[in-house]
Amino acid sequence: QSVLTQPPSASGTPGQRVTISCSGSSSNIGTNTVNWYKQLPGTAPKLLVYTNNQRPSGVPDRFSASKSGTSASLAISGLQSEDEANYYCAAWDDSLNGPVFGGGTKLTVL
Amino acid sequence: EVQLVESGGGLVKPGGSLRLSCAASGFTFSTYSMNWVRQAPGKGLEWVSSISSSSSAIYYTDSVKGRFTISRDNAWNSLYLQMNSLRAEDTAVYYCARSRSVIAAATWDYWGQGTLLTVSS
Repeated sequence: QSVLTQPPSASGTPGQRVTISCSGSSSNIGTNTVNWYKQLPGTAPKLLVYTNNQRPSGVPDRFSASKSGTSASLAISGLQSEDEANYYCAAWDDSLNGPVFGGGTKLTVL
Repeated sequence: EVQLVESGGGLVKPGGSLRLSCAASGFTFSTYSMNWVRQAPGKGLEWVSSISSSSSAIYYTDSVKGRFTISRDNAWNSLYLQMNSLRAEDTAVYYCARSRSVIAAATWDYWGQGTLLTVSS
């Protein structure tokens, strides 16, 4: 059972916009910044969004994220086949004194 | 180019020990906090441990406290994870990851390719 809650799956057709949610609590998302990671099967995770809504260099602006209260969300617009991957949210947890992850959302591009 | 290369994984019997290493290059290793994150087969990501640039701050997830020890050698640009009293549930791919900023930001901007630890009799 992950500390942060994500839907296990999401899907969309090419060109569509999809949103992935991440729910936490006052000790993690409510107090600290949220990061998002993308992981293709058999490969290492890649930083997609940091500090709630900042994209590292090289990440397309099709990816956007936001945070409100104890929840966060990742939005992917103009869905492409290469977006098919697992997506994880993460944040520091003040109660656990360490980072916590969501369980991951498997995005399927139909 | 930033590179993180893990090594040391393998098959270990329950109760055994192993040390993972992560060789860093392409950046000033001594100025960055570093982390170990693991992923059990078919499961999600789990943070294991973090160490600050000077080793003054160290953190562990509860399930490894007292069994795992994170360390670093800034002279050799290397990160280590000494794992003792290994259990079947420690079986996972272990990733070395660099902190983009402070440890508490949970922002890891570069990751290694991972090394697989299998704990089985």
